[in-house]
Amino acid sequence: DGGITQSPKYLFRKEGQNVTLSCEQNLNHDAMYWYRQDPGQGLRLIYYSQIVNDFQKGDIAEGYSVSREKKESFPLTVTSAQKNPTAFYLCASRSDIKGSTEAFFGQGTRLTVV
Amino acid sequence: AQSVSQHNHHVILSEAASLELGCNYSYGGTVNLFWYVQYPGQHLQLLLKYFSGDPLVKGIKGFEAEFIKSKFSFNLRKPSVQWSDTAEYFCAVNKGTNAGKSTFGDGTTLTVKP
Repeated sequence: DGGITQSPKYLFRKEGQNVTLSCEQNLNHDAMYWYRQDPGQGLRLIYYSQIVNDFQKGDIAEGYSVSREKKESFPLTVTSAQKNPTAFYLCASRSDIKGSTEAFFGQGTRLTVV
Repeated sequence: AQSVSQHNHHVILSEAASLELGCNYSYGGTVNLFWYVQYPGQHLQLLLKYFSGDPLVKGIKGFEAEFIKSKFSFNLRKPSVQWSDTAEYFCAVNKGTNAGKSTFGDGTTLTVKP
């Protein structure tokens, strides 16, 4: 089945540690996105990539980093610089970059800093 | 910067009641409009979308939305809700030429009482 896979589903991290969230898609989509979902705040864009080896900051990129070495993969690293990392993280992809298609979402990763 | 406003944060209805969820956006140029739904424990999925043409669009499960350009609105409607419609609903907007920065509303939680 084609889709987007995020792993792990739940992740616990100690303060001061970096952690990497995985996102893989087998839809052959060019564009990939990372969103953060907090209660009452909807989805906020962290980073997005429209092509391999290129990515752009979203609205809340501070404390996060990404890479796009392969079309299928867009991992997100939550660094120790992120002041409030506990959240639900969603990865999405889109088949083109023009905006005329909808985004497909993964199941999400819930990160808790302990 | 574009913004999306969903005026109802939590809506509670009885089965068979009619539904209308408001969505207003701030961008004045060409836009693509989406409604996504997140059922409990499931990933975000597309409900319906508007790109051009007939401003009244029909989606899955009996939902429809009307694009009113003069009001910058894209309200979601359903004439008779069911218990299974209990979910969180997100309106999203992106500029017609750049899908990279889709902006989501804060979401509306719909609870349908059986």
